[in-house]
Amino acid sequence: AQKITQTQPGMFVQEKEAVTLDCTYDTSDQSYGLFWYKQPSSGEMIFLIYQGSYDEQNATEGRYSLNFQKARKSANLVISASQLGDSAMYFCAMREQGDSWGKFQFGAGTQVVVTP
Amino acid sequence: ETGVTQTPRHLVMGMTNKKSLKCEQHLGHNAMYWYKQSAKKPLELMFVYSLEERVENNSVPSRFSPECPNSSHLFLHLHTLQPEDSALYLCASSQDLFGTGGYEQYFGPGTRLTVT
Repeated sequence: AQKITQTQPGMFVQEKEAVTLDCTYDTSDQSYGLFWYKQPSSGEMIFLIYQGSYDEQNATEGRYSLNFQKARKSANLVISASQLGDSAMYFCAMREQGDSWGKFQFGAGTQVVVTP
Repeated sequence: ETGVTQTPRHLVMGMTNKKSLKCEQHLGHNAMYWYKQSAKKPLELMFVYSLEERVENNSVPSRFSPECPNSSHLFLHLHTLQPEDSALYLCASSQDLFGTGGYEQYFGPGTRLTVT
C-alpha cells in the first residue's frame, strides 16, 4: 500500500507568491522522518528539508518550511516567494524507524511550474 | 569531485547487450541505493547496500545485478533488458541506514536508460 500520498499532480504558481504542496503519510511507527526533495528537469534529486516525528517545531530551511501536523499525518511543504528556478518536480518521502534498514518511501510527486 | 556522481548520463542499449551503470559517492557515507524512476510512477527502490553488504533486494528481476566493491562505489550490471526497463536510474547515498534523525539521501544526477 502506498504510504506517501501527494494529491496534487501539478500546480502553477506566480513568481514571488507562496505555494503549499500537500503530503500525507501512513505509518504506525512512533519514530519516523519526513523529507522533501526537488527534482529539476536535469534529473538530479535535491534534498530540501527534514522533519523528525519528535520535533516539536516545524522545520524551516531558507524559503522552505514544513507544516507538520502529526495528528493529521500531514507534512506539507511551503515555498515562500517563489522563483522561476523553483519550477521542478517535488517529492515527499518518509523513513520509518521500524524499517530497520532505512528504506525511504517516496510519493508520486507534484510538478510545480512558476510563471513570471 | 563532490557529492554523488553517476556514469554514463545517457545510455541506449539493445535487448541483447550487456552494460553497467556506475555510481560513486565522495561523502564518506556507509549506505548506497539504486532507484528506478519511470514516467508517472513513484521512485522504486531496487537495492540497498550498507557497508558493502546488500541488505535488500526489492523483488528486482535478475537481469539487474548490483555490485558494491567498497563503500564508495556501486554498480548496476544490466543484461538482456526489456523495453519496459527504460527509465531514469538514480543512485543515492546516506550517512547510515539506521535512525531517523536526518540521514537524508543524496542523489546522483541519474542515468537515462533507453532499451531498444
